[in-house]
Amino acid sequence: GAVVSQHPSWVICKSGTSVKIECRSLDFQATTMFWYRQFPKQSLMLMATSNEGSKATYEQGVEKDKFLINHASLTLSTLTVTSAHPEDSSFYICSARGRLAGGIDTDTQYFGPGTRLTVL
Amino acid sequence: SQQGEEDPQALSIQEGENATMNCSYKTSINNLQWYRQNSGRGLVHLILIRSNEREKHSGRLRVTLDTSKKSSSLLITASRAADTASYFCATVYSNYQLIWGAGTKLIIKP
Repeated sequence: GAVVSQHPSWVICKSGTSVKIECRSLDFQATTMFWYRQFPKQSLMLMATSNEGSKATYEQGVEKDKFLINHASLTLSTLTVTSAHPEDSSFYICSARGRLAGGIDTDTQYFGPGTRLTVL
Repeated sequence: SQQGEEDPQALSIQEGENATMNCSYKTSINNLQWYRQNSGRGLVHLILIRSNEREKHSGRLRVTLDTSKKSSSLLITASRAADTASYFCATVYSNYQLIWGAGTKLIIKP
């Protein structure tokens, strides 16, 4: 099946620094990638949707200058949390949908394992 | 975004019993998906059911979809301790975004 990886798995940083999270589709072309954040014991909240080669579409209330998303290739999207603060501490999850081997587009979103960010 | 609703919020049953979780949504969908999440981990896709399907099976999982009632159910038969997790339904609309339910926390007691 389709595999999505995230790097790093967890990161601890000081307040004011920037953190980059990578999301890669390992065996398919991810035409669309989604970034979510999840607070403890809560459901996922969609932050933004990005299509390869286009600017990301952010959900209402999500600061695009704070959460920079780049989807420069069909296998890689990055989320950069700029000038991170303790309130940005969360579990960040990416997902991808696109074209599997054989040229079949899939409705299924394949999720990465998540990145736990702790800002001190 | 319009969030789906799941019930129950939490469910605790004995190992070997069946577990049923329900999900409701508000507008017409393209498909509905169920995911599982172990504590602190990423999501695992379980089943996708399309709007023109009524029931799907995968191993011990059975998903039903009633578009007239705008609801779906996930049944896990012969539950095991390893099934302990949170289960989320997500509805997919024409723009491929997922709208998530709040999740059901399932605890299987050995």
